[in-house]
Amino acid sequence: GENVEQHPSTLSVQEGDSAVIKCTYSDSASNYFPWYKQELGKGPQLIIDIRSNVGEKKDQRIAVTLNKTAKHFSLHITETQPEDSAVYFCAATTYSGNTPLVFGKGTRLSVIA
Amino acid sequence: EPEVTQTPSHQVTQMGQEVILRCVPISNHLYFYWYRQILGQKVEFLVSFYNNEISEKSEIFDDQFSVERPDGSNFTLKIRSTKLEDSAMYFCASSKWSYGYTFGSGTRLTVV
Repeated sequence: GENVEQHPSTLSVQEGDSAVIKCTYSDSASNYFPWYKQELGKGPQLIIDIRSNVGEKKDQRIAVTLNKTAKHFSLHITETQPEDSAVYFCAATTYSGNTPLVFGKGTRLSVIA
Repeated sequence: EPEVTQTPSHQVTQMGQEVILRCVPISNHLYFYWYRQILGQKVEFLVSFYNNEISEKSEIFDDQFSVERPDGSNFTLKIRSTKLEDSAMYFCASSKWSYGYTFGSGTRLTVV
């Protein structure tokens, strides 16, 4: 089955700096890669996703890149703000069929004002 | 924006007791899921449900667990005889297709 590794486990950045979180996946059949943000006491919230037919996707300050050959995908947050502080999870699955979403272990991002 | 609603937000139960965790998925969604998250750990898949039957389940989802969609709007997770190690946050999720999950806010289950 799919295995998703995520690094780093914790990340502290100064407000205004960029943050990068990296994930690798094992199953070459995976073709859908969402990123979730989890704030304290809440459920994971989808912030951006990418399918394997594109290499990069951007939404305002958030971007995701995908390298299918290396089975790597990364989340980039620019101009970080204190409200970006949360736990971020990457995940992988196929967007057809019944393969469940498999999560990485999460990255606790702290943005220091 | 449509939400997945979970109740209760916190449940405390005695070891060996049965608990039912409830979820109301988004109304036009077809796929339903339960995940759990032990404190400080990653979100783990338990079970997926589609077309009124289980479509996939993990090793965690053993005979003490069951799911049901009793009335077309609710989606429940039953744990028959709770153990201390069942203490976790349980998240329900739903999706219109087999991706793009929306998660609820979770039920914190504490087994004492």
